[in-house]
Amino acid sequence: NAGVTQTPKFQVLKTGQSMTLQCAQDMNHNSMYWYRQDPGMGLRLIYYSASEGTTDKGEVPNGYNVSRLNKREFSLRLESAAPSQTSVYFCATRGTGVDTQYFGPGTRLTVL
Amino acid sequence: QKEVEQNSGPLSVPEGAIASLNCTYSDRVSQSFFWYRQYSGKSPELIMSIYSNGDKEDGRFTAQLNKASQYVSLLIRDSQPSDSATYLCAVNPGGANSKLTFGKGITLSVRP
Repeated sequence: NAGVTQTPKFQVLKTGQSMTLQCAQDMNHNSMYWYRQDPGMGLRLIYYSASEGTTDKGEVPNGYNVSRLNKREFSLRLESAAPSQTSVYFCATRGTGVDTQYFGPGTRLTVL
Repeated sequence: QKEVEQNSGPLSVPEGAIASLNCTYSDRVSQSFFWYRQYSGKSPELIMSIYSNGDKEDGRFTAQLNKASQYVSLLIRDSQPSDSATYLCAVNPGGANSKLTFGKGITLSVRP
């Protein structure tokens, strides 16, 4: 039972390159979230998905797209990476009827 | 904009002391409140949740909630060096699409 997994763990991109961050969960949770964490800024919500087939913007969605492929998987795509997107990205999940969110191990992304 | 404020750190306490971490929030209709602990380079993990006014105790941890004052705190008794981490306060305003708003976190250092 892996919980929430994220791939890759580390990534270095050049400005303008694209990439997709993957998140998968085996907790049978409906809701999934993507956050970014920057020094001194706390966790900020990028996008979330309340259930399979639905997605919605969070606090800082510009420059990102998401796909809720199925109940297990929620991916985050950077179409044209910028240095301002250098950050640690966390995926999280939440079960129906509860408030607790469970976090994956994170992806550390550097954009040069 | 909904805000969650944590008193600025870092906070340093000697081993065995009580560490007091404070958090205020701006959205008066907030329903549920969480404390996450995050070790350096790791993902946040939930340590306490509280929903009603008053105190909630779990081992060496006590969460305190005062909705009238829009204030939530975390007390760590008999602080240990292993408690050294960043503590994130998170608030959920409630509703169908439950989203957390996080504070920026406060770093606690417990001196042996």
